[in-house]
Amino acid sequence: EPEVTQTPSHQVTQMGQEVILRCVPISNHLYFYWYRQILGQKVEFLVSFYNNEISEKSEIFDDQFSVERPDGSNFTLKIRSTKLEDSAMYFCASSSGTYYGYTFGSGTRLTVV
Amino acid sequence: DAKTTQPPSMDCAEGRAANLPCNHSTISGNEYVYWYRQIHSQGPQYIIHGLKNNETNEMASLIITEDRKSSTLILPHATLRDTAVYYCIVSYQYGNKLVFGAGTILRVKS
Repeated sequence: EPEVTQTPSHQVTQMGQEVILRCVPISNHLYFYWYRQILGQKVEFLVSFYNNEISEKSEIFDDQFSVERPDGSNFTLKIRSTKLEDSAMYFCASSSGTYYGYTFGSGTRLTVV
Repeated sequence: DAKTTQPPSMDCAEGRAANLPCNHSTISGNEYVYWYRQIHSQGPQYIIHGLKNNETNEMASLIITEDRKSSTLILPHATLRDTAVYYCIVSYQYGNKLVFGAGTILRVKS
């Protein structure tokens, strides 16, 4: 069964550093997303990406965040200057936009120290 | 905010059917009902979705009331591996974002 692959599974970074979280969506999918889940809290939408541009973003997704699909297969989330409150599980997801729902990756646990 | 209401937790005996209710009284005519689950801190897993007809797949059945204001997810023979948080979400199809609520913690007990 096709999977969404996320790397790394766990990343520890110093406050103020830049991090890039990587995702390989399912190859024939057209819609791409990032969600995050702070420990013990709800899964929160960050951004959706379609046709090589952001289609929607939440208020969480401020100027510190950016997304890119650099080579037609990878989908990345960059946080420019991490804060302690960015510590969370980050999930990438993709969708074909047709019958089936999203497929989520297994997540990257980001710890900002 | 999530547009659905679910009980915070439910228990189910292993081998029995688990029936998880969801209220979505403000659903609009072209919004679908989706069910996902999350096991531990893994990524949410798609289970099933429907518009107004009942749906069944290899994982579960989805029963939607005629007025579409509520639905029930049925796991016909729950196993210990079905212990998870189950999310009922209403959303438009074709790429729309998902808004997760707190979901229902289902504990399957032997």
